[in-house]
Amino acid sequence: DAKTTQPPSMDCAEGRAANLPCNHSTISGNEYVYWYRQIHSQGPQYIIHGLKNNETNEMASLIITEDRKSSTLILPHATLRDTAVYYCIVRGSGNTGKLIFGQGTTLQVKP
Amino acid sequence: NAGVTQTPKFQVLKTGQSMTLQCAQDMNHEYMSWYRQDPGMGLRLIHYSVGAGITDQGEVPNGYNVSRSTTEDFPLRLLSAAPSQTSVYFCASSYSPATGSYGYTFGSGTRLTVV
Repeated sequence: DAKTTQPPSMDCAEGRAANLPCNHSTISGNEYVYWYRQIHSQGPQYIIHGLKNNETNEMASLIITEDRKSSTLILPHATLRDTAVYYCIVRGSGNTGKLIFGQGTTLQVKP
Repeated sequence: NAGVTQTPKFQVLKTGQSMTLQCAQDMNHEYMSWYRQDPGMGLRLIHYSVGAGITDQGEVPNGYNVSRSTTEDFPLRLLSAAPSQTSVYFCASSYSPATGSYGYTFGSGTRLTVV
């Protein structure tokens, strides 16, 4: 599975959009980009994933560049409850299985 | 409620003791995995299973055994606990299709202290 690179920390003002970047320059054609977050010491929570098209759900939007070497997770209106560690992960499709976590980005939403 | 259930939530062991961390899911997910998370660190994959009867090692398998006799359950065994195994353990499950990809559902964790 491709390795990802994320900034260790970011700040965002409450009510503003939070844009979390991720580099995955060695991603291969059948690998998906996943985003998870972990609030305090809870179990990680799935946010969104995509292959090459941009994706949106009730939690966030995922923008993947045309060459697929980087992506951005967008939380459109960040709240204090969005303060968490955000993990960008690349994983193969089907039964290839393994989900390998990196260090993630600690997002601090400030009032 | 559908989801991943881990028991116990907290456990203190003495060095050398053995125990089994339980993980059960009721979503008929083929894929299950175990992670450990040390303080201030990310999650590291211990073992995973792509279906009943099939298991494989992750990044940090030493000191842990697993088995997958049913789709629903994926227990993690510590044969002889060591202080280095003090950690928070998370179990996760997912659909495992031939094509496409699905998100994982994580349990709430087991906080293990080995003294």
